[in-house]
Amino acid sequence: KAGVTQTPRYLIKTRGQQVTLSCSPISGHRSVSWYQQTPGQGLQFLFEYFSETQRNKGNFPGRFSGRQFSNSRSEMNVSTLELGDSALYLCACQGDRVNTGELFFGEGSRLTVL
Amino acid sequence: AQSVAQPEDQVNVAEGNPLTVKCTYSVSGNPYLFWYVQYPNRGLQFLLKYITGDNLVKGSYGFEAEFNKSQTSFHLKKPSALVSDSALYFCAVREKGPDNDMRFGAGTRLTVKP
Repeated sequence: KAGVTQTPRYLIKTRGQQVTLSCSPISGHRSVSWYQQTPGQGLQFLFEYFSETQRNKGNFPGRFSGRQFSNSRSEMNVSTLELGDSALYLCACQGDRVNTGELFFGEGSRLTVL
Repeated sequence: AQSVAQPEDQVNVAEGNPLTVKCTYSVSGNPYLFWYVQYPNRGLQFLLKYITGDNLVKGSYGFEAEFNKSQTSFHLKKPSALVSDSALYFCAVREKGPDNDMRFGAGTRLTVKP
């Protein structure tokens, strides 16, 4: 079965712009999580969606937002980009309702803010 | 809230020697523990997990990890390292319960030298 698909894979933006990243989870997986990965910081949890509802949220400013559609596809948006937003943004899904299962990751969207 | 610490940024071992990548965790309840590996410009791949039962869990590519509740540790081990094991390794924890997200450590870069 198809894996987790993230688009775009690479993008370059300038400060002050906004960006939207997309994630299509594995078919049947209704939970989608987003993480920001930067060198030295590891993976920082952004938010998790389950059945179109935000279930958990990390400690990021309101410039970071997300949503999930009825087909479980998810998008995240970052407004008013800052240089520090340059990172690899990873999407992950899971099919286990009670959260004992592992996450399945996409290959990420690498954002560079100039 | 749950958290994970990986005390070593870098681990270097010679090929054929045993390897250990350390992880300690903090949760208020019962933990679910995971190890993931990341190769350059790729997403994370699941290696193994501890949910319940035997404290020693075996995973992909000959890796294993031991859950130690008293020391709140979940160290990753392999009896004989391969050059191809060189990668970035992440430990993760999720507190038991339907609505808890997964939190990751900062990662440990493993280098196996021939």
